Amino acid sequence: AQSVTQLGSHVSVSEGALVLLRCNYSSSVPPYLFWYVQYPNQGLQLLLKYTTGATLVKGINGFEAEFKKSETSFHLTKPSAHMSDAAEYFCAVSEGGGSEKLVFGKGMKLTVNP
Amino acid sequence: KAGVTQTPRYLIKTRGQQVTLSCSPISGHRSVSWYQQTPGQGLQFLFEYFSETQRNKGNFPGRFSGRQFSNSRSEMNVSTLELGDSALYLCASSLGLVRPGELFFGEGSRLTVL
Repeated sequence: AQSVTQLGSHVSVSEGALVLLRCNYSSSVPPYLFWYVQYPNQGLQLLLKYTTGATLVKGINGFEAEFKKSETSFHLTKPSAHMSDAAEYFCAVSEGGGSEKLVFGKGMKLTVNP
Repeated sequence: KAGVTQTPRYLIKTRGQQVTLSCSPISGHRSVSWYQQTPGQGLQFLFEYFSETQRNKGNFPGRFSGRQFSNSRSEMNVSTLELGDSALYLCASSLGLVRPGELFFGEGSRLTVL
């Protein structure tokens, strides 16, 4: 069975500081990996995804993530945090192969301090 | 292009009642998935439909059911409501195999069971 681990539930950074949100996955097949963001009182929005090919994936709003198979990780980074980045971030894994089912991590709430 | 529309946005029910939630996907999307989001369990997969067929089902009791219509609109039903069913129910639509895992979420239906 697939699973995703996001250690911790909250992270706080200063505006302009590096954002690093960690995600480790477990999958018996080559995974498709995703990061989604949820702003307050909204649904989730896709930030970026990895399926095959280049292991460094760039997404919207300046975020990027690197797939490291040896570490079973897919950490999300942004060089400089902005106040508008405050939200909850979810890492997810999919088997692909015809199913749209995603297994989500518990989420990480990001606070950006002025 | 209109996004995913979920109705109602908020509802309050009492234990033992039943509820039906509706989801209108993005035009052209034939795949619809449902997720339950709670503070304790996070995001959990409920069902996935494609062209009126249930393709996948999560680990929920039989009280949870769903269907998809020929116009891709979907409904989910929860019968004999329990307090633990209080949650945000999120619907997501996608293009399916064309872009696997790229889900477009609605803002959700927040169910409170008293």
